[in-house]
Amino acid sequence: DTGVSQNPRHKITKRGQNVTFRCDPISEHNRLYWYRQTLGQGPEFLTYFQNEAQLEKSRLLSDRFSAERPKGSFSTLEIQRTEQGDSAMYLCASSLEVSNYGYTFGSGTRLTVV
Amino acid sequence: DQQVKQNSPSLSVQEGRISILNCDYTNSMFDYFLWYKKYPAEGPTFLISISSIKDKNEDGRFTVFLNKSAKHLSLHIVPSQPGDSAVYFCAAYLTTSGTYKYIFGTGTRLKVLA
Repeated sequence: DTGVSQNPRHKITKRGQNVTFRCDPISEHNRLYWYRQTLGQGPEFLTYFQNEAQLEKSRLLSDRFSAERPKGSFSTLEIQRTEQGDSAMYLCASSLEVSNYGYTFGSGTRLTVV
Repeated sequence: DQQVKQNSPSLSVQEGRISILNCDYTNSMFDYFLWYKKYPAEGPTFLISISSIKDKNEDGRFTVFLNKSAKHLSLHIVPSQPGDSAVYFCAAYLTTSGTYKYIFGTGTRLKVLA
């Protein structure tokens, strides 16, 4: 297991289209997080899962966004009817339930909406 | 409301000298703090953390200092090396919240000059 894997690395889409990103966490990690990072900003929390349960969603996650983690393994983040303001780096991270060593982040998916 | 602030967007330091990166927070309830390093086109990588019960934590060339009364933490890198050139984010969270949701600062870009 080489870490948190995110696919695709880059996605360019036209405004109004739907996109889906995938995250494969470290296998023994039961917590999974999605963050969004825009230029000049730090990562901002979107949502988190403990196993398959989605336990918290940020107000940043509008009703166009949906995240799933079936069977507590990989996760998907879908954005419907994309807008230019959705252009950002989407970061996935995973961790054990209690960790003093921080999350392990993936390399992210960079979304550009044109 | 920016709860975690990094007021210096960039910092340049000569190789071999000390780099000091600063971070301020407004929420006195935060009780765990972390520093992450980010290279271009990669996800953030955990560097070092500190609990609010401590005022210093050291790991090799990296030391984090916490001043709870001032709501301020700093990361010292000694000696600085060209490979340390990256964007550094501080993050804070409340361990009793259960979510381990990190609040990140906006980052400081460190450039170590050879």
